[in-house]
Amino acid sequence: TQLLEQSPQFLSIQEGENLTVYCNSSSVFSSLQWYRQEPGEGPVLLVTVVTGGEVKKLKRLTFQFGDARKDSSLHITAAQPGDTGLYLCAGPPITDSWGKLQFGAGTQVVVTP
Amino acid sequence: EAQVTQNPRYLITVTGKKLTVTCSQNMNHEYMSWYRQDPGLGLRQIYYSMNVEVTDKGDVPEGYKVSRKEKRNFPLILESPSPNQTSLYFCASSEQTGSLRRTDTQYFGPGTRLTVL
Repeated sequence: TQLLEQSPQFLSIQEGENLTVYCNSSSVFSSLQWYRQEPGEGPVLLVTVVTGGEVKKLKRLTFQFGDARKDSSLHITAAQPGDTGLYLCAGPPITDSWGKLQFGAGTQVVVTP
Repeated sequence: EAQVTQNPRYLITVTGKKLTVTCSQNMNHEYMSWYRQDPGLGLRQIYYSMNVEVTDKGDVPEGYKVSRKEKRNFPLILESPSPNQTSLYFCASSEQTGSLRRTDTQYFGPGTRLTVL
């Protein structure tokens, strides 16, 4: 059973549209990280959110950490083909040791021109 | 260039034939970890290491071994591979600043695609 549930699993949109990806859990996390993975490569870190309620912006990407630190969202404004990739959330539950990391199953985003 | 390297990148083997996947990082990171990635399951942690000679189990350690004799290397050993270990494997490393909130950036290798027949 996945501790971090991501939705949707797959998202296909046109260039210029907005999209939101969700990462939910019944467990509390010390922090949450968002990664993007492209075919044939390892995941690359986009952002880390630490404080409940925190909002971080990275150009057209907005990341939010839930007040209770159990969920997070990634919103992309005016998506571009370069945003295509597998988006993964990950984090250490507060009940686990520092070294253990849980990943969501990922959301595959496809942005067509 | 700061990087995590894995070898081999692709491997096809047969059931029961011992194999080792190497992982090396040149960033002097204390923390290293192995993951496997399967369709629909995301990444699952196999083993991790907080420093030399310190290793611990992740969520799916069965059938795998690791060692951390040097800071830069963290090999993954499959003593007797089975078909259910066919997967895409990633090694990663990060600093270990001690923050309880785990804010350190994890750097991933390019992956090793393993097929066990």
